[in-house]
Amino acid sequence: RKEVEQDPGPFNVPEGATVAFNCTYSNSASQSFFWYRQDCRKEPKLLMSVYSSGNEDGRFTAQLNRASQYISLLIRDSKLSDSATYLCVANSGAGSYQLTFGKGTKLSVIP
Amino acid sequence: DTGVSQDPRHKITKRGQNVTFRCDPISEHNRLYWYRQTLGQGPEFLTYFQNEAQLEKSRLLSDRFSAERPKGSFSTLEIQRTEQGDSAMYLCASGDVDTQYFGPGTRLTVL
Repeated sequence: RKEVEQDPGPFNVPEGATVAFNCTYSNSASQSFFWYRQDCRKEPKLLMSVYSSGNEDGRFTAQLNRASQYISLLIRDSKLSDSATYLCVANSGAGSYQLTFGKGTKLSVIP
Repeated sequence: DTGVSQDPRHKITKRGQNVTFRCDPISEHNRLYWYRQTLGQGPEFLTYFQNEAQLEKSRLLSDRFSAERPKGSFSTLEIQRTEQGDSAMYLCASGDVDTQYFGPGTRLTVL
């Protein structure tokens, strides 16, 4: 079983739509969680950290459910520029700086 | 541009040759990470340095792979006796606390 699992998609949505990505992690010792965005043939870029209380950054909302070991990302009012692969990330445990990435979910926002 | 640079950006080599990649992290970051990414997968952790000390190594890092960070600044990753399975994007990241910022990567093709 992969340590971080995501629906690979692709998700094809029209501009202005709301889209949600889900992710589960298997390592109960994971303490830190992130969403990264990766454009085609580019490096991953940090989109946002994920906190237990949930957090929002503009059109993006991330949530964490530690009991279910589940992470989500909600994108509201999708823009063409949101088209990318979204990577769900968990660290390997307390005191570990090793990050485990999911395979990513591909999003295409269509005009 | 995150401020992490990698050189070269592309490397084509023949099977059995040795290759070396360089990473220059963001200057104030004392943590430096190496990852490998193949098509359709998320980045996979290889190793991590805090200053010049190599603190974590993945089992993916076979004895053909060696990484150094001699002065706690730039880092090199060497692959000896390359194999076709080594073809991948090699990503370097630097960070402080939890956050990691990726460089543009070195794309290795082993013929």
